Amino acid sequence: KAGVTQTPRYLIKTRGQQVTLSCSPISGHRSVSWYQQTPGQGLQFLFEYFSETQRNKGNFPGRFSGRQFSNSRSEMNVSTLELGDSALYLCASRSYIGDTEAFFGQGTRLTVV
Amino acid sequence: EDKVVQSPLSLVVHEGDTVTLNCSYEVTNFRSLLWYKQEKKAPTFLFMLTSSGIEKKSGRLSSILDKKELFSILNITATQTGDSAVYLCAVERGGGSEKLVFGKGTKLTVNP
Repeated sequence: KAGVTQTPRYLIKTRGQQVTLSCSPISGHRSVSWYQQTPGQGLQFLFEYFSETQRNKGNFPGRFSGRQFSNSRSEMNVSTLELGDSALYLCASRSYIGDTEAFFGQGTRLTVV
Repeated sequence: EDKVVQSPLSLVVHEGDTVTLNCSYEVTNFRSLLWYKQEKKAPTFLFMLTSSGIEKKSGRLSSILDKKELFSILNITATQTGDSAVYLCAVERGGGSEKLVFGKGTKLTVNP
């Protein structure tokens, strides 16, 4: 069974640009969550989608947005990039929102210059 | 505000040692506590704990949860160099606001 796939793996962008990251969950999983990981803050929750609906949102500015498609694939968008957005963005997939473990993808390393 | 605190932040041991990693939490509507191992990029799942006092084991790793005292420990016996990684503790909230709240992790280095 294929794992969680995130693309691209690495990305370099300039301040002010926007970026879109993609996450394909494990087949059959309907919940996709996004996390930002930085050395100083650790892993921080961005948002979670289930059945194409955003169920939860973390404390990030409105520049961070996402969506989920009918095949459960999810995209995350960051607009007007800032240097502080440089981080590893991880996506996690679960079969549903509830008492199940989350499986993580390899992440997208975003560098903003 | 939800809080998950791991200690120690880093640990250096020799192969064969036994280590205990700690995780304490203050989270509204606790649902479960999860341990992950992160070596390069993707955290890999180790354990999920929902009930107090029941130890979960997988080979040389074991974990237990104390819901009264709000903490969990992860034990690794007979450590190997391959155990070197960052170990992450996460608590899942329930009550309609399901999300994982992570600690900052414990960086374990096992020297030969």
